[in-house]
Amino acid sequence: GESVGLHLPTLSVQEGDNSIINCAYSNSASDYFIWYKQESGKGPQFIIDIRSNMDKRQGQRVTVLLNKTVKHLSLQIAATQPGDSAVYFCAENRNKFYFGSGTKLNVKP
Amino acid sequence: GAVVSQHPSWVICKSGTSVKIECRSLDFQATTMFWYRQFPKQSLMLMATSNEGSKATYEQGVEKDKFLINHASLTLSTLTVTSAHPEDSSFYICSARAGAREDTQYFGPGTRLTVL
Repeated sequence: GESVGLHLPTLSVQEGDNSIINCAYSNSASDYFIWYKQESGKGPQFIIDIRSNMDKRQGQRVTVLLNKTVKHLSLQIAATQPGDSAVYFCAENRNKFYFGSGTKLNVKP
Repeated sequence: GAVVSQHPSWVICKSGTSVKIECRSLDFQATTMFWYRQFPKQSLMLMATSNEGSKATYEQGVEKDKFLINHASLTLSTLTVTSAHPEDSSFYICSARAGAREDTQYFGPGTRLTVL
């Protein structure tokens, strides 16, 4: 079946280090991907998106990489801060969103 | 811009009662709204897609008679959990999309439902 999944359920990093969160998807027809951040008890917050005609997109302190050959997506957070602690989801959009299982990012001060 | 609100933010009800949750797009018109359910430490699961003026489309396994969805205007969709039971306790999140060609969904803050 179709699925969007994450390799690492929990990631702990030191404040100031860079974080990399990974996601695998199985539907090669997907052409749009989004990363969301969700803090405890809150709704998902948009971080960054990328279309399949790109392999890299940068935002403020965040970069998304897309490797269509291996159907892999990653989110890189530079100089991770305590405020980045949250659960991160990748989502695949084909008229509806299919969410991955999520990675919890713990930032240690 | 692109703010989505939900009301209430949390609700506690007795088993057997019905609960209505509202989802509003505050600064844009949403042709499509989506309702998700999220259990603790799990991902978001799409329940249904709601288009203004038409019947909602439910995902497989979601009971349409239990989760009533109404999308009466371009800024408001409601989810009513009928005859709620403790297993319906969950975090309910809505999202809104501005147009059919828009990909981005804007999410609400969620509603925590606890059924006693």
